Formats: sequence, C-alpha cells, structure tokens
Amino acid sequence: DVKVTQSSRYLVKRTGEKVFLECVQDMDHENMFWYRQDPGLGLRLIYFSYDVKMKEKGDIPEGYSVSREKKERFSLILESASTNQTSMYLCASSDAVRGDNQPQHFGDGTRLSIL
Amino acid sequence: SQQGEEDPQALSIQEGENATMNCSYKTSINNLQWYRQNSGRGLVHLILIRSNEREKHSGRLRVTLDTSKKSSSLLITASRAADTASYFCATDPTYNQGGKLIFGQGTELSVKP
Repeated sequence: DVKVTQSSRYLVKRTGEKVFLECVQDMDHENMFWYRQDPGLGLRLIYFSYDVKMKEKGDIPEGYSVSREKKERFSLILESASTNQTSMYLCASSDAVRGDNQPQHFGDGTRLSIL
Repeated sequence: SQQGEEDPQALSIQEGENATMNCSYKTSINNLQWYRQNSGRGLVHLILIRSNEREKHSGRLRVTLDTSKKSSSLLITASRAADTASYFCATDPTYNQGGKLIFGQGTELSVKP
C-alpha cells in the first residue's frame, strides 16, 4: 500500500516564523501535491511537482514556497507565517501515467495554527 | 478554479438506507474520481470512472457518469454508521498536465444508527 507521511499532525507556530511542512511518500510517485483545506472552501491546490526539482504553482501559491530535492520528499514552506494561514494542510502523491491522471494518495494532514 | 459542484452539501440518513450524492463539472474530462474523508484525516480514493464508461461498481458503491450532462453520482447502498464521512468528487480535465485533479466542495454524509 502507498504510504504518504506528513511530519506532524498538529503544529502551532507564531506570526512571522518560517514554517516547514514535510511530506514523504514511499511508492516512487512522480507527482506530489500540497493542498490546504478550510471549512466551506474545499481543497485548494497550493503547489505541485511532477518531477524532482520541478514545481508548478497551484491556485493559491501566495505566501508559500516548495522544495523537491528528492523524489520521495516534498516540502511546503511558509516564508513568514500569518494568521490567515491557519488551516489543515494535506499532501498527496500520484503515479505519472500517459493519459488519465491517476488517483492521488493522501497523508493524514497537518493541522497548523498560527498565533 | 474548482470545477466540481456537489449536491447536496450535507445529507443525513438512517442506517440501512441508500445515500446518493451528485457531482457536476464544466469541462471535458479523462476521468472522474470519488474520495472519502473521515473527520480530521486525509482523503482516501474510492473509485475511478473513465469518460468512456457509464457505470462502475465497487462493493456497496455504484458510480454513474453522464458526460453529455457533465454529471456523476455516487450511490452507497445499505449504509452503515461507519460510512459517516465527507465525500468528494474530483475531475481529471482533458487540458490537464502534471497529474492535477480538480476537487469539488464535498458532501457531508451522516449515517445515524
């Protein structure tokens, strides 16, 4: 079974801090994704990556950056955390196959609070 | 740029009843996927239906796809309290690159024992 592991289930940080959220997958997937999930807004894509060192902006990249130095690891960085970044953050990975986009496998999420 | 719209937003039924959730979308798709999310957890993939398929079954799940109406439905038969969760549809638009899916807002299902 695919396992996507997010480094923390719960995290509390202060405004202005630089915050790192880590995600590791064990199935050699090419694609990795970071979403945030807020009540009433569904899942919103922040960034995604379809290869090592490649990254693409999603729908809401402002205030975030990402790093993918190794295939199995995709990091989300909040450069200077703000209270409006308090949210549930979900990481996902998927296989790259020609044609259909494959199902995504999700981690259990990190509930981040910025005080 | 969410393209999936789900209906209803919330559904409450008794154990043993069937639950039907609907998803509408706007663009041509390669496939449509349904996911489940238990409270406070990540999403879990349930079923994928391709654009050339009309119906697919998996256990107590039945998914239909009508590409002419750009809509899909998820039916859970003989529901159980353990089916209580949020259910999301996700579309794979034909213009897509890099594995992106477009998720709907979700239907919150509550199954009362």
